[in-house]
Amino acid sequence: AQTVTQSQPEMSVQEAETVTLSCTYDTSESNYYLFWYKQPPSRQMILVIRQEAYKQQNATENRFSVNFQKAAKSFSLKISDSQLGDTAMYFCAFMKLGNNAGNMLTFGGGTRLMVKP
Amino acid sequence: ETGVTQTPRHLVMGMTNKKSLKCEQHLGHNAMYWYKQSAKKPLELMFVYNFKEQTENNSVPSRFSPECPNSSHLFLHLHTLQPEDSALYLCASSQSPGLAKEQYFGPGTRLTVT
Repeated sequence: AQTVTQSQPEMSVQEAETVTLSCTYDTSESNYYLFWYKQPPSRQMILVIRQEAYKQQNATENRFSVNFQKAAKSFSLKISDSQLGDTAMYFCAFMKLGNNAGNMLTFGGGTRLMVKP
Repeated sequence: ETGVTQTPRHLVMGMTNKKSLKCEQHLGHNAMYWYKQSAKKPLELMFVYNFKEQTENNSVPSRFSPECPNSSHLFLHLHTLQPEDSALYLCASSQSPGLAKEQYFGPGTRLTVT
């Protein structure tokens, strides 16, 4: 079974600053995907960024980038130029590729990020 | 808006009531999921449906009964719930398994069991 750990329950950052959210995971799988999801106070969970385990290059999506260290099983999220709208709960998630079953996500406990003006 | 809608958004029910949660996706996906989000606990996968067939039941008590009449609709029927079942219930959908695509989530139903 996979486990995902987010060791920072809460973090805060000043607007326009950079913040890094940590995530570690444990798996015996070699082929998998990792995700960061954002859940704003309105509650709708949205995808922030995705990383395929077989790719060595770190994924980047505008102000969001990851530091994927496969050997260390670490998958941190860096938010640059933080904006007030980045205030949300952030979840790290692991997906083992399914066959005929659905692709199931295992989530970490989440990090609550507050961006301060 | 992610293309996944859930109704109702809020529900208060007694332990002897029977109610249903509804989820609808407008994305043409083939897989649908129910998750439970409790305070201070990670999201827990409850059920997975793939092409209308249930492919995963994550040891969920029988007082939760899912139904998937077609690939666009997913229901969660609730009966004789316990106060500890109070939580945010999230529905999600994704493309066909094996494509490793992300899941799209609905806004959730906030359930309170009194």
